[in-house]
Amino acid sequence: GENVEQHPSTLSVQEGDSAVIKCTYSDSASNYFPWYKQELGKRPQLIIDIRSNVGEKKDQRIAVTLNKTAKHFSLHITETQPEDSAVYFCAASKGGGADGLTFGKGTHLIIQP
Amino acid sequence: DTAVSQTPKYLVTQMGNDKSIKCEQNLGHDTMYWYKQDSKKFLKIMFSYNNKELIINETVPNRFSPKSPDKAHLNLHINSLELGDSAVYFCASSQTLFQGAFFGQGTRLTVV
Repeated sequence: GENVEQHPSTLSVQEGDSAVIKCTYSDSASNYFPWYKQELGKRPQLIIDIRSNVGEKKDQRIAVTLNKTAKHFSLHITETQPEDSAVYFCAASKGGGADGLTFGKGTHLIIQP
Repeated sequence: DTAVSQTPKYLVTQMGNDKSIKCEQNLGHDTMYWYKQDSKKFLKIMFSYNNKELIINETVPNRFSPKSPDKAHLNLHINSLELGDSAVYFCASSQTLFQGAFFGQGTRLTVV
């Protein structure tokens, strides 16, 4: 089955700096890669996703890049703000539907004022 | 107009009891899931249903039984609860292709 590794487990950055979270996946058939943000006591919320036919996608301060050959993808957050503090999860699936998502173990992002 | 709603939000029960968690989605999605998030925050899929049909049944004890009466509902029944079942259980739904799952607010199950 699919295995998703996520690094780092904890990331502390100064407010205004950039944050990068990296994930690798094992199954070359995976073709859909969403990122979720989970605040304390809340549900995971989809923040951005990318399909395997695209190398990069941006949405305001967040961007995701995908390297299919190396089987890794990354989340980039620029100009970090206190409200960016949360646990971020990467995930992978084949088709994004009934196969379900295989999640990484999460990155606790801490924004230092 | 909550998209994916599950009840109850908190559930405290004794070992050996049987309990159910209900989930409903009003997004018109074809696929619904149950995920378990353990104390280390690790999210793992338990079940996936597509149009009321079971698609995925990960290595989950058969004390856990999902039931989908229709496409908009997926309930989770747990028999003979054990201490190790304590976790947050999330219901989610998605369309079948290239769309991330939308999660319910979670049910924090505590077995004492």
